[in-house]
Amino acid sequence: QKEVEQNSGPLSVPEGAIASLNCTYSDRGSQSFFWYRQYSGKSPELIMFIYSNGDKEDGRFTAQLNKASQYVSLLIRDSQPSDSATYLCAVMPNSGNTPLVFGKGTRLSVIA
Amino acid sequence: EPEVTQTPSHQVTQMGQEVILRCVPISNHLYFYWYRQILGQKVEFLVSFYNNEISEKSEIFDDQFSVERPDGSNFTLKIRSTKLEDSAMYFCASSDSGEAETQYFGPGTRLLVL
Repeated sequence: QKEVEQNSGPLSVPEGAIASLNCTYSDRGSQSFFWYRQYSGKSPELIMFIYSNGDKEDGRFTAQLNKASQYVSLLIRDSQPSDSATYLCAVMPNSGNTPLVFGKGTRLSVIA
Repeated sequence: EPEVTQTPSHQVTQMGQEVILRCVPISNHLYFYWYRQILGQKVEFLVSFYNNEISEKSEIFDDQFSVERPDGSNFTLKIRSTKLEDSAMYFCASSDSGEAETQYFGPGTRLLVL
């Protein structure tokens, strides 16, 4: 059974702070890793993907991947109240457009 | 910017009735997916579709479910005889072979079975 684990939160951070969201996965052979943002009642919206060990930056967002530790994280710099949402970690266990395995998500609350 | 669209946005049905959920994937994408999310739970994979056939399906996708690409743009999910436990948000997604095979999600259909 392929599992993706996330702390459900809520994670509360003050406006302007760095929010750190973490995810672990069980399948060591997993290929690609995705962070989606989901507002209440809405669909998952892609933030970024990563498939190589190390850091990947896109604007205020940085994804970090450590395949040896089976760990992926998302940092949000200069957090804004509009960043308040549930952040879903999703793992593609195999290459070739295969189904995503999602974690339950971490609810982030950015306090103004 | 191209996006996945889904209709209807909401569907209320009686237990035992058939429902068809419709999706229009991003036009140059070749891989299509249905996921569902029961309220308060994680997003779960149902089925994937490529080259006019099912490429993978989960345990949830039993004989009550079917998918079809009736024309060059639509991708449908049919539930033949709905159960109370089918109440959920149903998301369609599509991807191509680039961009780490990123899947883009539609806005979803909220299905309520009474």
